[in-house]
Amino acid sequence: AQSVAQPEDQVNVAEGNPLTVKCTYSVSGNPYLFWYVQYPNRGLQFLLKYITGDNLVKGSYGFEAEFNKSQTSFHLKKPSALVSDSALYFCAVRDGGYGQNFVFGPGTRLSVLP
Amino acid sequence: SAVISQKPSRDICQRGTSLTIQCQVDSQVTMMFWYRQQPGQSLTLIATANQGSEATYESGFVIDKFPISRPNLTFSTLTVSNMSPEDSSIYLCSVSRLGTNEKLFFGSGTQLSVL
Repeated sequence: AQSVAQPEDQVNVAEGNPLTVKCTYSVSGNPYLFWYVQYPNRGLQFLLKYITGDNLVKGSYGFEAEFNKSQTSFHLKKPSALVSDSALYFCAVRDGGYGQNFVFGPGTRLSVLP
Repeated sequence: SAVISQKPSRDICQRGTSLTIQCQVDSQVTMMFWYRQQPGQSLTLIATANQGSEATYESGFVIDKFPISRPNLTFSTLTVSNMSPEDSSIYLCSVSRLGTNEKLFFGSGTQLSVL
């Protein structure tokens, strides 16, 4: 069965500093990995995905994530945080070999302090 | 990208009543899903809406409580039946586009409060 862990409920970072939101996963087959962001009273917005190829993927709003197969991780990063990045971030995984279901992590609340 | 219209955006309902949530997509999609997001929690898949047939429910969710329809490739409804305060959540419609099932698009959600 698929599972996703986001070990930090909350991440605080000062504006202008780099940020990292952590994600580890478990799947039986090839992992399809995703990051989504949720702003208050909104649905989820897609940020980026890893399906295959280059381990470093770039996405929307200056975010990037690095796929590490040996550590089964897919951490979200941004070189310089903005106050407007403050939101709830979800990592998700789909098992590429089996079905369509996505499994979401518990979410990490990012607060960027001015 | 797929544009999803979900309504109502929010509602306050009385215990024992039912609410039907609509999801309309601007293009044909292969998969439509309904998720629940309880306060402060992650997303939990309720069911996959299948066109022209009964939905596929996840463990812990049943058709009598959450009947789902999907009459065509662009429209689905979720009904929350016989509501109780424990049903207070955000309900999210999600889709995968035809031929590109690699990511999900989400509607803006329905915030339901049951008194």
